[in-house]
Amino acid sequence: RKEVEQDPGPFNVPEGATVAFNCTYSNSASQSFFWYRQDCRKEPKLLMSVYSSGNEDGRFTAQLNRASQYISLLIRDSKLSDSATYLCVVEDSNYQLIWGAGTKLIIKP
Amino acid sequence: DAGITQSPRHKVTETGTPVTLRCHQTENHRYMYWYRQDPGHGLRLIHYSYGVKDTDKGEVSDGYSVSRSKTEDFLLTLESATSSQTSVYFCAISGGVRAGNTIYFGEGSWLTVV
Repeated sequence: RKEVEQDPGPFNVPEGATVAFNCTYSNSASQSFFWYRQDCRKEPKLLMSVYSSGNEDGRFTAQLNRASQYISLLIRDSKLSDSATYLCVVEDSNYQLIWGAGTKLIIKP
Repeated sequence: DAGITQSPRHKVTETGTPVTLRCHQTENHRYMYWYRQDPGHGLRLIHYSYGVKDTDKGEVSDGYSVSRSKTEDFLLTLESATSSQTSVYFCAISGGVRAGNTIYFGEGSWLTVV
């Protein structure tokens, strides 16, 4: 079992819709959690950190469920520019970052 | 954008030849990393550095070596390239390892070993 697992997708979603995807992690001692965004043939960039209480940044909401060991990312009112691959990242107790393989999102007009 | 420059950005090389990728930062960050990214895998850490001349192995270090003689430069060397090392290589930097220290990536180096 991979330490951090994501549905690879692609998720094909019409513009304006709401989309959500999850990421599961295996190490219950994991400390911190992040979502990164990666455009095709570009470098990953931090989208948002995931806090225990959940957090929101505009149209994006991230949540953490420690009991079930997953984090989620919700995108409301999706835009064409949201098309990208979303990477889940988990920081373990040794401050090492464990990366998921990513979920590809395609927003269609 | 963080000041990270990778060179070369694209390279095709033959099996068995040595290859060096360079990462240069202008942010004076302490930590520097080399990752590789392959389809179906998350980013995998090759080596990292926590200061000048201070380096350590990551998850997939076999076949790779690194050096950091200056704060701003982190070199990744493939001593004898193999086809399995065909990949996209990303350099990254951060000010620390604790949460809150964002990791920033360079634009990537596409390496093809034929």
